[in-house]
Amino acid sequence: DAGVIQSPRHEVTEMGQEVTLRCKPISGHDYLFWYRQTMMRGLELLIYFNNNVPIDDSGMPEDRFSAKMPNASFSTLKIQPSEPRDSAVYFCASRPGGSGNTIYFGEGSWLTVV
Amino acid sequence: AQSVTQLGSHVSVSEGALVLLRCNYSSSVPPYLFWYVQYPNQGLQLLLKYTSAATLVKGINGFEAEFKKSETSFHLTKPSAHMRDAAEYFCAVNTDTGRRALTFGSGTRLQVQP
Repeated sequence: DAGVIQSPRHEVTEMGQEVTLRCKPISGHDYLFWYRQTMMRGLELLIYFNNNVPIDDSGMPEDRFSAKMPNASFSTLKIQPSEPRDSAVYFCASRPGGSGNTIYFGEGSWLTVV
Repeated sequence: AQSVTQLGSHVSVSEGALVLLRCNYSSSVPPYLFWYVQYPNQGLQLLLKYTSAATLVKGINGFEAEFKKSETSFHLTKPSAHMRDAAEYFCAVNTDTGRRALTFGSGTRLQVQP
């Protein structure tokens, strides 16, 4: 079975540019998560969806960040305009509904803003 | 609210020695506890999880962890370290109430010396 698929794997962009990260969750999973990993702050939850509906976006840093899930098989995380402090690894993850189920992570999108 | 504390950001062991990575959790309701491993430039992979069945949980690659409610701990162990175990290890907690996302510890980087 295919795991969580993220694209692009690596992106280098200039400050001020728009960045769009994409995610395809595992088929049949009800929950989708976006995490950010940095040396300073570790793994932070940005937002998560349940059945395509955003449930908790309290981790989204500011208005420059937005996330959408137009259908069960696709989600985007957009940063506009990007800043150097947004440089990080962005992970998408998904899991089935129910109690105690495993969250499966994608390989990550490595973003560098120069 | 739930949280996880990992004691020791870096642990170094010799090949063949016991590996012990410490994790303490805080949760007002019964927790689900997870250990993930992250190899360089990769995503997070589940090692093992506790979901209120057996308190001693066996995972992949010879790792195991024991849930101790009285100590609010879920330490990860492996009897004999191998060079390929060098990676970063994350403890995480989730519950059936409130936010349905994993809350991660700060991670422990394991070095294995030849």
